Amino acid sequence: GESVGLHLPTLSVQEGDNSIINCAYSNSASDYFIWYKQESGKGPQFIIDIRSNMDKRQGQRVTVLLNKTVKHLSLQIAATQPGDSAVYFCAENTGGFKTIFGAGTRLFVKA
Amino acid sequence: NAGVTQTPKFQVLKTGQSMTLQCAQDMNHNSMYWYRQDPGMGLRLIYYSASEGTTDKGEVPNGYNVSRLNKREFSLRLESAAPSQTSVYFCASYYQGQPQHFGDGTRLSIL
Repeated sequence: GESVGLHLPTLSVQEGDNSIINCAYSNSASDYFIWYKQESGKGPQFIIDIRSNMDKRQGQRVTVLLNKTVKHLSLQIAATQPGDSAVYFCAENTGGFKTIFGAGTRLFVKA
Repeated sequence: NAGVTQTPKFQVLKTGQSMTLQCAQDMNHNSMYWYRQDPGMGLRLIYYSASEGTTDKGEVPNGYNVSRLNKREFSLRLESAAPSQTSVYFCASYYQGQPQHFGDGTRLSIL
């Protein structure tokens, strides 16, 4: 079946550095992509999204890049802070009612 | 504005017991979802309700039933709990084309 996956299950960065979390997707029909942040004991929280007609979208300290040629999605977090420590996962949607979620990458921020 | 509210937050059951997980949303979204989240895996869809009055099976529906009580509420029932159903359960609501909004989960242990 089609799935969303991640290259790295764990990422450790120094406070103040930039973080990059990667995601591969396999469904070429997907046209909407979302990044979520999940803190311990909490539900997934929306961070940023991007539609397939865009290559890049920026938010506050976060940027999502979409490379449709290689079916790759990345989340960049600028000036990573201890509060950014969490599990991050990507999700894809083909415009219908179902969204496919990746397993996640755990981000550790070292002070 | 509470968003998506799930009750209870924690529950321990014995094998064979039944229980209902409750979910309510106040965002006037048409669609609601139940997922389970297991270690090292992405969210897996159990059931969803695209609109009030409809429900459909997701990826892992066996052992579960759902009721879309009204536009706000969507409940998940375990008729005869099994240890394999030990998991964290998340409810989400959705407006098409937008990211899903999640509750903070119900942590369910079945002994």
